Amino acid sequence: DTGVSQDPRHKITKRGQNVTFRCDPISEHNRLYWYRQTLGQGPEFLTYFQNEAQLEKSRLLSDRFSAERPKGSFSTLEIQRTEQGDSAMYLCASSLGAGTEKNIQYFGAGTRLSVL
Amino acid sequence: DAKTTQPTSMDCAEGRAANLPCNHSTISGNEYVYWYRQIHSQGPQYIIHGLKNNETNEMASLIITEDRKSSTLILPHATLRDTAVYYCIVRVAWGGSEKLVFGKGTKLTVNP
Repeated sequence: DTGVSQDPRHKITKRGQNVTFRCDPISEHNRLYWYRQTLGQGPEFLTYFQNEAQLEKSRLLSDRFSAERPKGSFSTLEIQRTEQGDSAMYLCASSLGAGTEKNIQYFGAGTRLSVL
Repeated sequence: DAKTTQPTSMDCAEGRAANLPCNHSTISGNEYVYWYRQIHSQGPQYIIHGLKNNETNEMASLIITEDRKSSTLILPHATLRDTAVYYCIVRVAWGGSEKLVFGKGTKLTVNP
């Protein structure tokens, strides 16, 4: 257990529904990252926050996706109007910040989304 | 795209050393080599990272060639629990993009 907590662990939804995932980073980690992983592939970066500011977004983060980190602690990732192609594992990671030793990303166990 | 090349799969006998190679021939001077592993249905787990010197921690050793174009992750005494996908990632430690770019990794199977 790395200390990064994700909820729920599994989510099954019907196409067109909205879903929201939550990530609680390791305490005092000011950076938080979201990745997506499909079957047989490595994780792909979606976005990252430093405190409450969203500083980098991937082209994978379409306008149906929105991520927030309102108080610089936990983060939510919402997918609106889900599509079957959104089925994947959504991974959250956190790190202390800049500098070699501080910038190691520690991952949670992920939320597995299945869109029917 | 990932800046690294790894074999798709490898096998190792339990108790023996597992040596996982990684090619990163286009690595820049300010880029580090990171290794993560992912056990089935879990999130990636950080193992080790290095710049140019060999590194060792409680999990593994990292050997980086002098020209930094390749590296080897060594698990000195592999156990069944080390069966996982191992990812070699090249990344600037500070400045630049924060993202980790994962390839497909090496599927290591430790056999009894």
